[in-house]
Amino acid sequence: AQSVTQPDIHITVSEGASLELRCNYSYGATPYLFWYVQSPGQGLQLLLKYFSGDTLVQGIKGFEAEFKRSQSSFNLRKPSVHWSDAAEYFCAVGAGTGFQKLVFGTGTRLLVSP
Amino acid sequence: KAGVTQTPRYLIKTRGQQVTLSCSPISGHRSVSWYQQTPGQGLQFLFEYFSETQRNKGNFPGRFSGRQFSNSRSEMNVSTLELGDSALYLCASSLMGSNNEQFFGPGTRLTVL
Repeated sequence: AQSVTQPDIHITVSEGASLELRCNYSYGATPYLFWYVQSPGQGLQLLLKYFSGDTLVQGIKGFEAEFKRSQSSFNLRKPSVHWSDAAEYFCAVGAGTGFQKLVFGTGTRLLVSP
Repeated sequence: KAGVTQTPRYLIKTRGQQVTLSCSPISGHRSVSWYQQTPGQGLQFLFEYFSETQRNKGNFPGRFSGRQFSNSRSEMNVSTLELGDSALYLCASSLMGSNNEQFFGPGTRLTVL
């Protein structure tokens, strides 16, 4: 069965520092991978996605992610974190018919310190 | 273009009652998916509808059901509510329902007393 692991429940980063959020997936074929962000009381906003092609994917708000098949990973990165980036981040893999069944990781809560 | 809208935003029910939640997808989107988000279980897929047909289904009991109308709007229903059904219910839509990213609504916060 498909699964996604986000090993870090909480991460605290100083404003201006770089960020890397880890994501490992389990999927039998080429995965469709996503990163979403959720602010308190809000729905999910798509940051970026990987379907195929270039393994380094650029997203919104200055985020990028790198797909590494050999490590079954899809880590999210940002070179300089802003206080407004504090939120919960979810990695997901698309499964089922049309890859519309998203299987989510447990999320990583990002705290940004001044 | 308007985003995914969900109504109502907040709902309080008592055990044993039933509830219906509504989702209007982005204009032109034909696939609608539903997710349940709880602190204990995280984000879990409920079901997906495409062109009025349930195409994908998660591992939820039969008390959870849904449907999609010809205008792509969708409803989900939970019968015989239990305390554990308290959650944020998120709806998402995608354009063609295949290899497309999903866009999420703000959710309906259901509290069961």
